[in-house]
Amino acid sequence: QLQLQESGPGLVRPSETLSLSCTVSGDSLSRGIYYWAWIRQPPGKGLEWIGSFYYSGSNYYNPSLKSRVTISQDTSKNQFSLKVTSVTAADTAMYYCARHSVGATNNWFDPWGQGTLVTVSS
Amino acid sequence: QSALTQPASVSGSPGQSITISCTGTSSDVGTYNLVSWYQQHPGKAPKLMIFEDTKRPSGVSIRFSASRSGDTASLTISGLQPEDEADYYCCSYAGSTSFDVIFGGGTKLSVL
Repeated sequence: QLQLQESGPGLVRPSETLSLSCTVSGDSLSRGIYYWAWIRQPPGKGLEWIGSFYYSGSNYYNPSLKSRVTISQDTSKNQFSLKVTSVTAADTAMYYCARHSVGATNNWFDPWGQGTLVTVSS
Repeated sequence: QSALTQPASVSGSPGQSITISCTGTSSDVGTYNLVSWYQQHPGKAPKLMIFEDTKRPSGVSIRFSASRSGDTASLTISGLQPEDEADYYCCSYAGSTSFDVIFGGGTKLSVL
């Protein structure tokens, strides 16, 4: 059964870099069928797509976050990571990783990790 | 891209049917057959309920159905049950100029 698990610091100081990892079990990042994505949700608010990557190196980012976001992979650990630079309080959110089906007829996220809360505060 | 427009809240009684709308533009919902819907219970991760506009993943109740007409997608839940009370989000591909994915603002469903 495919499972995703987010991990990383729960508190990040303003102007610093947020770093999270997502460990995938039950599927391989390099199998080449799916993209893998990060999505966030500020407390009490809606969902925001951050970005998605494909094992071969194709990365897509939300245009509003593109200048501060990097998604990378560690295939030896079957993990992928998120970095967000120069964070502010507006980056405080629950961060989810998810498998992303992308194609001419596909755009859906399933399954999702349980999420990890990141608070930006000094 | 702006978020897709959903009503902030809807409500219904057990056994009734409700519909949640999701309005976008010709650059997203109106162009691509790529709307998906998610259910989120408090404190839980979102769960895929509908993909490719109208399809249900295995394990999702047939009480959940969806449609799309022009720039508006809709999720209908029939035979409301207490466990349907949750937040619902629509999502669409929006890549007219570059790859982009947008979500709706979410709709709180109350089962009275």
